[in-house]
Amino acid sequence: QQQVKQSPQSLIVQKGGIPIINCAYENTAFDYFPWYQQFPGKGPALLIAIRPDVSEKKEGRFTISFNKSAKQFSLHIMDSQPGDSATYFCAASKGAQKLVFGQGTRLTINP
Amino acid sequence: EADIYQTPRYLVIGTGKKITLECSQTMGHDKMYWYQQDPGMELHLIHYSYGVNSTEKGDLSSESTVSRIRTEHFPLTLESARPSHTSQYLCASGQAGGSYNEQFFGPGTRLTVL
Repeated sequence: QQQVKQSPQSLIVQKGGIPIINCAYENTAFDYFPWYQQFPGKGPALLIAIRPDVSEKKEGRFTISFNKSAKQFSLHIMDSQPGDSATYFCAASKGAQKLVFGQGTRLTINP
Repeated sequence: EADIYQTPRYLVIGTGKKITLECSQTMGHDKMYWYQQDPGMELHLIHYSYGVNSTEKGDLSSESTVSRIRTEHFPLTLESARPSHTSQYLCASGQAGGSYNEQFFGPGTRLTVL
C-alpha cells in the first residue's frame, strides 16, 4: 500500500522557471511532511519540512504548499537553477514514527 | 551538516561472499535506518533500530541482517551475496523523542554483486 504518491516521475524545466512537484497522502494522522533533495552519488538531504497547522512555508527559493483538506502538499522552486537538478523525495510521518517516502521526482533544469 | 558515515562507498564482490556494510554516526541519535535504493529511484526501508539491542525489519523484505550493539554503530550484513542484492544502501539516523522525525542520511554504499 503506497501511502504517499508523488508526481511527476520526471520533470524538465528551463532555468528561471518554477518546477512544481506534488504529493498526496492517505493517512490523515500524518503530521510531519518533509522534502528531501538527492544529488547523484549522495544520500538524500533534508530541504524543507512543514507541519499541517500552516498552509505554506518558505525557505529561500523553496516553498511548500500544504492543503490539509485535499491531503496534498507540493514543492515549488522559484527562479530554478541548473544546480537544482536532482531527485526530490517527499515524505510523511505520524509523530516520531518512521518516514513514508514518495517515489521520487527526477528534476532537470536546463540552462 | 550531519555526521553519518558509511564504508565502503563502493563494493564489487562475487556471488556467495559474506559482506558487512558499516554505518556510524557521531550525533548520539537513538534511531538508525537502512534503506535500499536503485540509483535515483524510490527509497525502500529494510531495517531500523530505535536503540541499542533493538532492531526491526522494514517495509521491504531483505535477506540482510543488522545489529545494534552500540548507539553509534549499525552494521548491515549479507551472509551470501547474490546479484539480486546489487543496489545502493543508505544509512540514516535521527533523534528519538520530540514530535518530528528528521532523518540524516549517509552518502551510501554502492554494492555490485557479480
